[in-house]
Amino acid sequence: TQLLEQSPQFLSIQEGENLTVYCNSSSVFSSLQWYRQEPGEGPVLLVTVVTGGEVKKLKRLTFQFGDARKDSSLHITAAQPGDTGLYLCAGIQTGANNLFFGTGTRLTVIP
Amino acid sequence: EPEVTQTPSHQVTQMGQEVILRCVPISNHLYFYWYRQILGQKVEFLVSFYNNEISEKSEIFDDQFSVERPDGSNFTLKIRSTKLEDSAMYFCASSESYVTGELFFGEGSRLTVL
Repeated sequence: TQLLEQSPQFLSIQEGENLTVYCNSSSVFSSLQWYRQEPGEGPVLLVTVVTGGEVKKLKRLTFQFGDARKDSSLHITAAQPGDTGLYLCAGIQTGANNLFFGTGTRLTVIP
Repeated sequence: EPEVTQTPSHQVTQMGQEVILRCVPISNHLYFYWYRQILGQKVEFLVSFYNNEISEKSEIFDDQFSVERPDGSNFTLKIRSTKLEDSAMYFCASSESYVTGELFFGEGSRLTVL
């Protein structure tokens, strides 16, 4: 089983603060995705990164894929209460066709 | 916007009973998946399906589980004889491409085994 560990597991911050969530593995992934999941719903794709060192921005969210394609980070600038949710990283190993999910980071942004 | 739909949204069953969870993937997608999420735990891969056969399956997907695409539209997950530990949210997902693997998930079916 390819383990994707996310840190922190829980994060509670004030509105307007910045935060970074990390996703780490000892395995190499051909691509890595970030999802957000609301309670009682399925994960919703935010971004896919495929190239080592790649950086993608989605409004206030910045995603980076590590040079060795083993890790990734999600940085949120000026967090808002609407950012509250469970953030999941998920990776696909080279040659595989199944997505392994990370352990998740539950973010709470307090107004 | 196209979406993956799942039924039922919630099913309660007795231990030992058979359960069928149904999914309608996005129409032009070719790859289909089932995942599960036990309450408070991570999303776990069960099985992937392409070209009318299983592509990959996890250790969780034992002989009690089966999948099929009976009519070219629905994609079903059957649990033959449910156990208490099968209680979870079951998510269906589909993707258009193998290479990027961008999955689109349904809203899930909550299975409660008593």
